Amino acid sequence: DIQMTQSPSSLSASVGDRVTITCRASQSISSYLNWYQQKPGKAPKLLIYAASSLQSGVPSRFSGSGSGTDFTLTISSLQPEDFATYYCQQSYSTPTVTFGQGTRLEIK
Amino acid sequence: QLQLQESGPGLVKPSETLSLTCTVSGGSISSSSYYWGWIRQPPGKGLEWIGSIYYSGSTYYNPSLKSRVTISVDTSKNQFSLKLSSVTAADTAVYYCARVITIFGVDFDYWGQGTLVTVSS
Repeated sequence: DIQMTQSPSSLSASVGDRVTITCRASQSISSYLNWYQQKPGKAPKLLIYAASSLQSGVPSRFSGSGSGTDFTLTISSLQPEDFATYYCQQSYSTPTVTFGQGTRLEIK
Repeated sequence: QLQLQESGPGLVKPSETLSLTCTVSGGSISSSSYYWGWIRQPPGKGLEWIGSIYYSGSTYYNPSLKSRVTISVDTSKNQFSLKLSSVTAADTAVYYCARVITIFGVDFDYWGQGTLVTVSS
């Protein structure tokens, strides 16, 4: 099984900050990596697919990078609505997919 | 606008079978471009993929759940369903249905709102 490890598990930041969340795969997954945002009581929302492609309708302050085993999600300037939990998800082992454990982004 | 809606009992007894249905509106479940999937999230924990199905009936399951999971599709009703047998308290979770795009890998681009299923006697 491919394991996905996110860091940090939680993060405190302020509006306007630049934030980076990391996701590491237990083996190379090429660019088969997605990022989701989940707010309390809501379903996850797809932000980034194929490691760096922005899903339609997602603000450009979100960006993704990486390939192989190491990936990052960057929010260039945090907005109040960005405080949420973020998950990475690999699909290299399609059709089986696995998610990271999540990174909770909180207001400082 | 595509919408997915989960439905089914919110309480299931241990050892029984959990049954949920996802109704798709605003689009056809028979589209050749998509799969349809189930994902769950135990309270306060992360996401776990359960399985996916194509409109033709081809299924793919999480190996850790495969012996207990059945996913089926009813194209006439634009619905797909999940059955999870021999449930225990560890199966208590919010269950989501989602549309799956497979252009590059597997992306869950539309989700239902989720339904909480509690396993308890």
